[in-house]
Amino acid sequence: NAGVMQNPRHLVRRRGQEARLRCSPMKGHSHVYWYRQLPEEGLKFMVYLQKENIIDESGMPKERFSAEFPKEGPSILRIQQVVRGDSAAYFCASSPIRGPDTQYFGPGTRLTVL
Amino acid sequence: DQQVKQNSPSLSVQEGRISILNCDYTNSMFDYFLWYKKYPAEGPTFLISISSIKDKNEDGRFTVFLNKSAKHLSLHIVPSQPGDSAVYFCAAGESTNSKLTFGKGITLSVRP
Repeated sequence: NAGVMQNPRHLVRRRGQEARLRCSPMKGHSHVYWYRQLPEEGLKFMVYLQKENIIDESGMPKERFSAEFPKEGPSILRIQQVVRGDSAAYFCASSPIRGPDTQYFGPGTRLTVL
Repeated sequence: DQQVKQNSPSLSVQEGRISILNCDYTNSMFDYFLWYKKYPAEGPTFLISISSIKDKNEDGRFTVFLNKSAKHLSLHIVPSQPGDSAVYFCAAGESTNSKLTFGKGITLSVRP
């Protein structure tokens, strides 16, 4: 049973470009969460999605960031017009049910903005 | 405003001894607490959890203690092994929603 998959593992973008981060949840999991870890910090919640629905986006920056989890395919975290401050590790987690206690994390995507 | 605090950035212990990792929280709505272990370039791996109706949960070498009145929890690892060397994150959540709030982590080094 494959775990949560994220790709790419490393992504380099220049300022002003777009970054797309993908997350394939574990089989049977319909809940997806995105977290961001800045250097020397803990993980910070960004958004919680169920298939085709955004449930909680209280941690998402108001501009340039968006997330989706379509009926088919992976969840996508999209960052438009990236800036240096977006450089971080972005982790996706999935769970089979709603709740704080069943989240399984992927290996993360390390975004570097030049 | 940091709602989950791990005040010590690092801890070094001798193999075979006990490791005690501490965590404090400020949000009284938290009712579920977890510890994650993380190696470099990997995602966090769930270790052990405790809900607010308990004050202790044990799983093998790992025990988590919760003191609700002090808003404090701790992770005990005994005996510590070199393979336990990693960053440990304390996280908290509310059963009514799904987002986790993490501390900054503590780097544990277990010396052979």
